[in-house]
Order: sequence, then structure tokens, then C-alpha cells
Amino acid sequence: KNEVEQSPQNLTAQEGEFITINCSYSVGISALHWLQQHPGGGIVSLFMLSSGKKKHGRLIATINIQEKHSSLHITASHPRDSAVYICAVHSGGSNYKLTFGKGTLLTVNP
Amino acid sequence: ETGVTQSPTHLIKTRGQQVTLRCSSQSGHNTVSWYQQALGQGPQFIFQYYREEENGRGNFPPRFSGLQFPNYSSELNVNALELDDSALYLCASSFSGASTDTQYFGPGTRLTVL
Repeated sequence: KNEVEQSPQNLTAQEGEFITINCSYSVGISALHWLQQHPGGGIVSLFMLSSGKKKHGRLIATINIQEKHSSLHITASHPRDSAVYICAVHSGGSNYKLTFGKGTLLTVNP
Repeated sequence: ETGVTQSPTHLIKTRGQQVTLRCSSQSGHNTVSWYQQALGQGPQFIFQYYREEENGRGNFPPRFSGLQFPNYSSELNVNALELDDSALYLCASSFSGASTDTQYFGPGTRLTVL
């Protein structure tokens, strides 16, 4: 079992729909990251969370430390949101290793 | 402010050869992490360099090695290339490598081993 599991693997939505991507992890963490990867490879960091909730524009990320679960929400989705969304966790300590989920491929149709 | 850059963009090698990939970190950042991303998978941590010293390593064999230079740019070297080494190699820089730091990713180098 992977330390970081994402669901769903693939998600297709119509423009304007509310999107939720889930991330569960099995290790103790010091921080969780949500990342966006467009075709061609470039990765952009969206959020870093250690507790609670963060919002940036149409994106909202939440984390529940007790349940070892995080969600990424996209409101009023748009075709330009189409990308792979990746959850990654920092286990902390002296090793700053990031452990990644496999990603969720989101396709938003016009 | 210059972002993270990687070179080359694409590379084709044959089995048994050696390859060097390069990464220039963002201005002001002293930490570089390297990741391998196979097709359809999430990135896997290879190692991290902090102020020219290896700061942590993932489950990769010793034929994967690295360097960080005084200007904090970094190299990833892979010896005795295998077919399974074909992947996108990403580097990311951060201010200090702490878990609270945002990592800034380069565009990646796509390595194909034939």
C-alpha cells in the first residue's frame, strides 16, 4: 500500500462544476503539499498545509490531521484547470523527503 | 528573479551509458531536491542537497549520484543506464529544505534510454 493515496485517479467534469480531489496518507506528517502538473511536465506548487484550510482564488485545500486526509476543491471549474493534481507529504524530521501520490488527472470540458 | 532551470530538456542515451543532468536553483535558494517521475506515476524522491552536502536520499542505487556547487546549482549523475531509468527527472529548489518551505520545480529533463 502506498503511503499517499489519491482518489479519483481520473476525473472528467463540465465547465462550471465543483471539483473535489482527495488525498489520504498513512504516515505522520509535518506538512502536505498540493501540486499541479501540466502536460509537458512543469509542476507548480498550489498549497502547503499543516492544519486547517487555505484558499487561493477558486482553489481551496483542507486537511484533517486526525483522519490523515486532505481535499483539494476547485469551484467554478474551467478548461484551463485541466491538469494532473498531485498530493505530496513531508514526513519531517531531519530528512526532508517528499512522498508523492500518483496524481489525479482532471479534464474539464467546455 | 530567475526561476528553476534544467538542462537539457530532452536526452536519448543507450543502456550502459552515463548521463549528467543539470539544475540551476532559484535565486536565494540553498536547497535542491531531485525526483524521478516514470510515465503515469507520481515523482519519486532521489536525494536532496543542502549547502553542498547530501541531506537525505530515497531508495535509489548508488549509480545515482549528485553534486551541489557553491552557487547552489546541482547535477544528477546516473551511471550504467538501464531501460527503467527512462523517466522525467525533476529538480526543485527551496529556501532551506524545511517542510514548511515551498518547493519550486524546474521544467524537467526527459531521459529516454534505448
